[in-house]
Amino acid sequence: EVQLVESGGGLVKPGGSLRLSCAASEFTLSSYSMNWVRQAPGKGLEWVSSISGSSSDIYYADSVKGRFTISRDSAKNSLYLQMNSLRAEDTAVYYCANYGYYFDYWGQGTLVTVSS
Amino acid sequence: QSALAQPAAVSGSPGQSVTISCTGTSSDVGSYNLVSWYQKHPGKAPKVMIYEGSKRPSGVSNRFSGSKSGNTASLTISGLQAEDEADYYCCSYAGSSNFVFGGGTKLTVL
Repeated sequence: EVQLVESGGGLVKPGGSLRLSCAASEFTLSSYSMNWVRQAPGKGLEWVSSISGSSSDIYYADSVKGRFTISRDSAKNSLYLQMNSLRAEDTAVYYCANYGYYFDYWGQGTLVTVSS
Repeated sequence: QSALAQPAAVSGSPGQSVTISCTGTSSDVGSYNLVSWYQKHPGKAPKVMIYEGSKRPSGVSNRFSGSKSGNTASLTISGLQAEDEADYYCCSYAGSSNFVFGGGTKLTVL
């Protein structure tokens, strides 16, 4: 059974940093475009970032451009999101998901809370 | 990139049909046949119900159907059942590997 498991969320002060991880099992991350999608409390889903299978193409939503960095480690079959200069509005549950004409497999999400 | 416009809430009785609209622009919904719909229960990960506007993934009930006209996509759920009560989100490819989601619609089964 395919599993994506996010980790690394937590409470951080404004301006701080966090690194999220997404570990895959029964699923080869490098075969797919991988994405981070977030949901702020009481709000809708928001696409955050994507990385192509070859890692050659990387894209970010305008709301996180210049602050977040997506990456992957094929040897560890894992996806990462380095989040710097965090703001209160980055508070959300962060999901990793693959995309192949639609967001197919999703993790259970990890909560990031940015608060002083 | 602005969120796609969805009604905040819709409701229907068991057995009835409901339709949820998703309005974008000529830069997203209107330009690509890559609209997908997701069902999300609280505390759970989203589940795709429709992709490429009208296709159903394996295992999704044929009570769910999708369509698109111009800049507006629609999800129709027929024969409403209690377990259909959830939040529904549309999503469109918006070019340059960007995606835009709708604000979400809360479906209540009366």
